[in-house]
Amino acid sequence: TQLLEQSPQFLSIQEGENLTVYCNSSSVFSSLQWYRQEPGEGPVLLVTVVTGGEVKKLKRLTFQFGDARKDSSLHITAAQPGDTGLYLCAGDTNAGGTSYGKLTFGQGTILTVHP
Amino acid sequence: DTGVSQDPRHKITKRGQNVTFRCDPISEHNRLYWYRQTLGQGPEFLTYFQNEAQLEKSRLLSDRFSAERPKGSFSTLEIQRTEQGDSAMYLCASSSGQVSPGELFFGEGSRLTVL
Repeated sequence: TQLLEQSPQFLSIQEGENLTVYCNSSSVFSSLQWYRQEPGEGPVLLVTVVTGGEVKKLKRLTFQFGDARKDSSLHITAAQPGDTGLYLCAGDTNAGGTSYGKLTFGQGTILTVHP
Repeated sequence: DTGVSQDPRHKITKRGQNVTFRCDPISEHNRLYWYRQTLGQGPEFLTYFQNEAQLEKSRLLSDRFSAERPKGSFSTLEIQRTEQGDSAMYLCASSSGQVSPGELFFGEGSRLTVL
């Protein structure tokens, strides 16, 4: 069974602070996704990382995929109240070299940014 | 912009009743997924269709659960003889298979409460 451990589970910070969320596994993933989910809604894709060591930036969000493709991190600079939500990492299992999109999700990090 | 739509958004039922959820994927997407999410957890994979063929089912999908995608377009997920442990958010997602691997587009979910 492939597991993704996210930390921390809860994060409560003030507007303007920086934060990092971690996603770790003992398994290798062909790709890793980060999603953001608001209460009562479905997850919305933020980014996909595919190559070991890859770094992607999305405005104030920076995503990194570990060299061994077993871990990832999400860093938010100068957090804003609008960043509040559940952040989920998800790893793509790779069957025979062809991805078919079956994802293993972490348990999520609940981020609250106070004005 | 027509995303993934799910119906109903909320369902409250008594234990032992049958419920059915419907998912309409993004029209050009040939892959459709069902996930289940309980409070405080990330989504868990239930089943996956490519066109009308159901290619994989999770062990989480007991014999009380059945999913169909008869014409390769919309899908239904039926739960027979519901139990309180079935209470969860049922998420549908779709992908084209042509985009980067693992990128799923989720609907807003159908929240089931079994009394």
